[in-house]
Amino acid sequence: NAGVTQTPKFRVLKTGQSMTLLCAQDMNHEYMYWYRQDPGMGLRLIHYSVGEGTTAKGEVPDGYNVSRLKKQNFLLGLESAAPSQTSVYFCASRAGGFGELFFGEGSRLTVL
Amino acid sequence: DQQVKQNSPSLSVQEGRISILNCDYTNSMFDYFLWYKKYPAEGPTFLISISSIKDKNEDGRFTVFLNKSAKHLSLHIVPSQPGDSAVYFCAASNRGLGDDKIIFGKGTRLHILP
Repeated sequence: NAGVTQTPKFRVLKTGQSMTLLCAQDMNHEYMYWYRQDPGMGLRLIHYSVGEGTTAKGEVPDGYNVSRLKKQNFLLGLESAAPSQTSVYFCASRAGGFGELFFGEGSRLTVL
Repeated sequence: DQQVKQNSPSLSVQEGRISILNCDYTNSMFDYFLWYKKYPAEGPTFLISISSIKDKNEDGRFTVFLNKSAKHLSLHIVPSQPGDSAVYFCAASNRGLGDDKIIFGKGTRLHILP
């Protein structure tokens, strides 16, 4: 039972570099979410998707792009990383609009 | 503007006593609320939820109370155990209008004292 798997778990980037975080879920969930957690800021929603081929902006979408080409995968991209994007990123999924969120273990990103 | 507020960054409670964690929200359209627990270096895990048509939901040691008129909810843990030491997040969503965002508060760190 893998649930929600995030890749990579840790990454260090230099300012201006690009990277993609991969989220994969094996629960056949329709909805997927990307959050970031910063000290004293809680969990803030970056982008989310309510089905394959759909994406929508959350609370803090600037500087990020997402894609949901396959139902089981939700990719979070940073085109030009900035130190302000140093954070722990969590992916989550749920079956539909009435279900609970299942979270991955997180991906710690440091931008120097 | 913060829509879900957890105004206590931390809380210390004696083992065996009741822990009460509070959450306030500003968006009156929120109709579904959830509590999550998070240990360091792990993802949050679901604890309990409540729909706005109810004012109380109970699951074992965990009870969530909702006061819609005050836009306030609370999580009660009785009795508190050492394993309850964690960060607790309150979250809210508006399912009625099909808004699929789930908005979280900043969290409250609970310390259970021996």
